Amino acid sequence: NAGVMQNPRHLVRRRGQEARLRCSPMKGHSHVYWYRQLPEEGLKFMVYLQKENIIDESGMPKERFSAEFPKEGPSILRIQQVVRGDSAAYFCASSPRSRSDWYGYTFGSGTRLTVV
Amino acid sequence: DAKTTQPNSMESNEEEPVHLPCNHSTISGTDYIHWYRQLPSQGPEYVIHGLTSNVNNRMASLAIAEDRKSSTLILHRATLRDAAVYYCILRSGNTPLVFGKGTRLSVIA
Repeated sequence: NAGVMQNPRHLVRRRGQEARLRCSPMKGHSHVYWYRQLPEEGLKFMVYLQKENIIDESGMPKERFSAEFPKEGPSILRIQQVVRGDSAAYFCASSPRSRSDWYGYTFGSGTRLTVV
Repeated sequence: DAKTTQPNSMESNEEEPVHLPCNHSTISGTDYIHWYRQLPSQGPEYVIHGLTSNVNNRMASLAIAEDRKSSTLILHRATLRDAAVYYCILRSGNTPLVFGKGTRLSVIA
């Protein structure tokens, strides 16, 4: 039973390029959450998605960042025109349903984005 | 979201029990108490959660105060692999998990 799969594990982009981060949730999980962890800082919630729907994007920066979770395929976090401040570890988590007071989240190993 | 307060860091000797405290004096009746941990260079990992009664699983035990204003995560026998940042999080309904700074646990051989 594969866990949450994130790829790539490491991504290097030059300033101004686009970064695409992928997350495949656990089998049977239909809820996906993205978090960002800046160096030496805590995890910050970014966005919560269900299939084809954004449920909560209160933690997403207003510009350059977008997320989707299509009917088929992985969830994608897209960062346009990356800047050095986007360098961070991006973690994806999934849960089988939204009432995670009953269920824990399962996290992936993260994508470490470095902007040079 | 209700807030939690945890010590910044704690230290334990290997093979001894560890009690990680968490204060949550403003907890509401519908808040579950969740614990996650993050090992170095890894994603967070679910540890345990509970509502009112104490909980045990293969990883740890969760002791919840009778008034629910505090809880304690208990690792019965710390190993070097338990060195991590431990997060105590309150959550109800379908709001996403909100992580605080957590407690950095160091385990000494």
